[in-house]
Amino acid sequence: DQQVKQNSPSLSVQEGRISILNCDYTNSMFDYFLWYKKYPAEGPTFLISISSIKDKNEDGRFTVFLNKSAKHLSLHIVPSQPGDSAVYFCAASYRGSQGNLIFGKGTKLSVKP
Amino acid sequence: GAVVSQHPSRVICKSGTSVKIECRSLDFQATTMFWYRQFPKQSLMLMATSNEGSKATYEQGVEKDKFLINHASLTLSTLTVTSAHPEDSSFYICSARTSGREETQYFGPGTRLLVL
Repeated sequence: DQQVKQNSPSLSVQEGRISILNCDYTNSMFDYFLWYKKYPAEGPTFLISISSIKDKNEDGRFTVFLNKSAKHLSLHIVPSQPGDSAVYFCAASYRGSQGNLIFGKGTKLSVKP
Repeated sequence: GAVVSQHPSRVICKSGTSVKIECRSLDFQATTMFWYRQFPKQSLMLMATSNEGSKATYEQGVEKDKFLINHASLTLSTLTVTSAHPEDSSFYICSARTSGREETQYFGPGTRLLVL
């Protein structure tokens, strides 16, 4: 049973345009969500997070939106740059879970020059 | 962000030998560290949660006698793959969790293990 789903395995975007990466979850207990970026043969790099008391968090070119009623979150990257090409993982956790993260399967983003 | 290191980054060993992987939080103390495994084109699979000064908590299906975890200090956790076999070949990644209201896990760069 997949609690965190990233239904798009890949996404291709033109440089300068907006990249939108989506993530859905099923467990209503999740109250903290994170996005990680991962290059091949490297560990994930933390990008941005959002707690369930907010519906938006912004950091530079990265913005995460949370829609609790739809159990959906998205990561917006604007403007997209070729260096953003990587696999993006959505992760979720809740208090009482020892901080264990449940990861989606990832979306591979390709930003074309 | 916080820095987590892993050593070694790559290791090749013969079947039947044991391999130790170290995970260190360099600029913060971590009472909890996590060990993950990633298969090709798959997501990260949590293997175990390592708590400083106590026994690790293993996920279902992970053999605790095969994957020995020691969290001896607030900045160091080790994973030892005992009697390694080719099927243990994988990419092992650790993470360390910061404390505070919004806890975040920071990941190490990973260790590529190849068992011949």
